[in-house]
Amino acid sequence: GAVVSQHPSWVICKSGTSVKIECRSLDFQATTMFWYRQFPKQSLMLMATSNEGSKATYEQGVEKDKFLINHASLTLSTLTVTSAHPEDSSFYICSAITYRNSYEQYFGPGTRLTVT
Amino acid sequence: AQSVSQHNHHVILSEAASLELGCNYSYGGTVNLFWYVQYPGQHLQLLLKYFSGDPLVKGIKGFEAEFIKSKFSFNLRKPSVQWSDTAEYFCAVRGMDSSYKLIFGSGTRLLVRP
Repeated sequence: GAVVSQHPSWVICKSGTSVKIECRSLDFQATTMFWYRQFPKQSLMLMATSNEGSKATYEQGVEKDKFLINHASLTLSTLTVTSAHPEDSSFYICSAITYRNSYEQYFGPGTRLTVT
Repeated sequence: AQSVSQHNHHVILSEAASLELGCNYSYGGTVNLFWYVQYPGQHLQLLLKYFSGDPLVKGIKGFEAEFIKSKFSFNLRKPSVQWSDTAEYFCAVRGMDSSYKLIFGSGTRLLVRP
């Protein structure tokens, strides 16, 4: 149990276009979802916290107008990278928590974004 | 501000060697502590966690970690590593507020040579 999926697993887009990444909790309802960014050979940096039906809370330094997060249901959160630039190329990982297991975070497999 | 430090960025061991990865955290309050592993091409998996109680916690795949409150440390150990332990290991801390946010260390890349 407690599986989190992401779609797509990798995407290449042209500079200036927008890309949407989906994060789904497959077998549980997630009270909260998180979005992370991981640069090559570096750690995960939390971008934002997403709660169903409310606005996401962004970490300091993360542009909310560039990284749009929508949490439409208890099983789906989306991250849209708007007007993507090559510096947005990265590995984006989502996670979800549930009240079970003391709100342990379950991670998705990640999405590799390359902006050309 | 909360922070997590992992002192070893790269570790190379031979099979059957013992492993200890350091993790220190900075946080002004009670914390939950975690070790995650990321195998090549795979997603993060929880190795073990500490919430309270016995400071020596055992996780999956023979890993264990010891919480030393006075040293703000949560070092990961394994008595005898295997080639399949080659992966990246992340220490993480979570404060006891309602956000449930995790703060990750920079990670340690472990290479186990057969």
